[in-house]
Amino acid sequence: DGGITQSPKYLFRKEGQNVTLSCEQNLNHDAMYWYRQDPGQGLRLIYYSQIVNDFQKGDIAEGYSVSREKKESFPLTVTSAQKNPTAFYLCASSPGTSGGAWHTQYFGPGTRLTVL
Amino acid sequence: LAKTTQPISMDSYEGQEVNITCSHNNIATNDYITWYQQFPSQGPRFIIQGYKTKVTNEVASLFIPADRKSSTLSLPRVSLSDTAVYYCLVGNRKLIWGLGTSLAVNP
Repeated sequence: DGGITQSPKYLFRKEGQNVTLSCEQNLNHDAMYWYRQDPGQGLRLIYYSQIVNDFQKGDIAEGYSVSREKKESFPLTVTSAQKNPTAFYLCASSPGTSGGAWHTQYFGPGTRLTVL
Repeated sequence: LAKTTQPISMDSYEGQEVNITCSHNNIATNDYITWYQQFPSQGPRFIIQGYKTKVTNEVASLFIPADRKSSTLSLPRVSLSDTAVYYCLVGNRKLIWGLGTSLAVNP
């Protein structure tokens, strides 16, 4: 089955620790994205990547880092510099970023991160 | 970036047709209109996308008037499993997510 997988589903971390969230896709999509969703708010873009070895900051990139060494993988690291990391993190991919393709995003099941 | 306005919540009953209207008065010429569905604690799911006139797929229909300042997502014969949040997004590149419309389908 084609799709996007995120792991783990739930993650707990102590304050001051870095943590890496996994995102893998087998849809052969060029573009990948990371969002966070907080209660009562819409999704907010953290980072996106249009091609391997390239990525751009989204609206709330501070305290986060990403890499895109393979087309299939786009891991997100939540660093200790992120002041309010507790949230629901969503990874997505799309066939491309031109025209309507950017909007045709396929999402993973999400990772709920809780900082203790 | 075009801003969208949609109802915060709607109620319906099983078997009815549900129409959710989204207003986007300052839509740009090259903007697309896209709708997503999201269940609690899950990632959003793409429903339908259009540019103008009407688009239909196996799940929904999207009606877009000639001036493109609004759009209506039509869900035929809803069931309990259609209870979810529905997002209307307008743009050409970056997606701006609002709070969506929380649809409750009652028995």
